[in-house]
Amino acid sequence: AQSVTQLDSQVPVFEEAPVELRCNYSSSVSVYLFWYVQYPNQGLQLLLKYLSGSTLVKGINGFEAEFNKSQTSFHLRKPSVHISDTAEYFCAVIPNSGYALNFGKGTSLLVTP
Amino acid sequence: ETGVTQSPTHLIKTRGQQVTLRCSSQSGHNTVSWYQQALGQGPQFIFQYYREEENGRGNFPPRFSGLQFPNYSSELNVNALELDDSALYLCASGEPGTKNIQYFGAGTRLSVL
Repeated sequence: AQSVTQLDSQVPVFEEAPVELRCNYSSSVSVYLFWYVQYPNQGLQLLLKYLSGSTLVKGINGFEAEFNKSQTSFHLRKPSVHISDTAEYFCAVIPNSGYALNFGKGTSLLVTP
Repeated sequence: ETGVTQSPTHLIKTRGQQVTLRCSSQSGHNTVSWYQQALGQGPQFIFQYYREEENGRGNFPPRFSGLQFPNYSSELNVNALELDDSALYLCASGEPGTKNIQYFGAGTRLSVL
């Protein structure tokens, strides 16, 4: 079984400041890792994914994440946030041979002027 | 926009009733998964269909059932609705062999009174 822990339920940040949203996971098998974003009253949009290869992955809207196998982490970062980045962010894992995404509880990013 | 469409967007039912939610997968995708997202929580996997057969199931009772049609559209049926079934129901489509990357629709908001 897998589990995902998003260490911060809420992250307030000022516009143009950097941000890091933290995600740790546990799994007895190899997994793929994802970050999704959910804007108010909308579904989930895929931000980025780690499947294999380089541990630093870049996604849409200027976000990037780094896979750290030894620390079982997959933290999401953006060097300069915009008001429009205000949303709920979900980290998720799926076993390499599995079919079910296992999500964390989400981190609410609030960007203010 | 992912190309995954869900209907209806909102639905209100009373306890004990039955409901059917619909999903149209993204073109070229032949798996469909359903997730339940309670307020303030991450999505929980209900089940996945592939080639019209249930491919895997999460920890949901049998009153949650589904169908996948030859055109890869899908239905989620819930019988004997309970108050705790109130949630956002998300449909996701994907292709086997693409590392189980799943693309989500906007969801159906179900309220059970």
